[in-house]
Amino acid sequence: AQSVTQLGSHVSVSEGALVLLRCNYSSSVPPYLFWYVQYPNQGLQLLLKYTSAATLVKGINGFEAEFKKSETSFHLTKPSAHMSDAAEYFCAVSDRAGGYNKLIFGAGTRLAVHP
Amino acid sequence: GAVVSQHPSWVICKSGTSVKIECRSLDFQATTMFWYRQFPKQSLMLMATSNEGSKATYEQGVEKDKFLINHASLTLSTLTVTSAHPEDSSFYICSARDWGSYEQYFGPGTRLTVT
Repeated sequence: AQSVTQLGSHVSVSEGALVLLRCNYSSSVPPYLFWYVQYPNQGLQLLLKYTSAATLVKGINGFEAEFKKSETSFHLTKPSAHMSDAAEYFCAVSDRAGGYNKLIFGAGTRLAVHP
Repeated sequence: GAVVSQHPSWVICKSGTSVKIECRSLDFQATTMFWYRQFPKQSLMLMATSNEGSKATYEQGVEKDKFLINHASLTLSTLTVTSAHPEDSSFYICSARDWGSYEQYFGPGTRLTVT
């Protein structure tokens, strides 16, 4: 069975500061890993995904994540937070059978950015 | 980019009535669509996987007779909440998997309130 743990349900940073959102996964097979962002009352937007190519994955809006197999982690970072980054972020895992299958989501981390 | 729409975006219904939510892939064909449920300030929980032309696969604990899913074409899946009750009030999100690229795209969600 696969699972995702996001450490920290709420993270608060100053505008311009480093953003670090933590995600650890559990999977019995090589995983696909994803980060999504959700703004209030909206669906999910894909930020980036890991599919066994480069371990450092760059996504949209300046976000990136590094897959570390030894640590079973896929933390999301952004060097400089912007007010518009305030949102809910979800880490997700999927197995590889038959392409992308169902996604298992973490509990989410709410990012607040203050001036 | 690939777009998934949901209709309606919000709906209020009386207890005991049925509500149908549509999920459409607008510019790609989706052999597989997924239905998720999200409670306030919580993560997405997969309800069922819908494959075009076949019966949906429901996750454990999801009542298939209450949440009827139909995936009659490569661009449309519907979720019908039958005999809705206040505890069915939630945010329902669908996603569609592009059969060509296996990418999964999310709809904007439907907020259901049962009074």
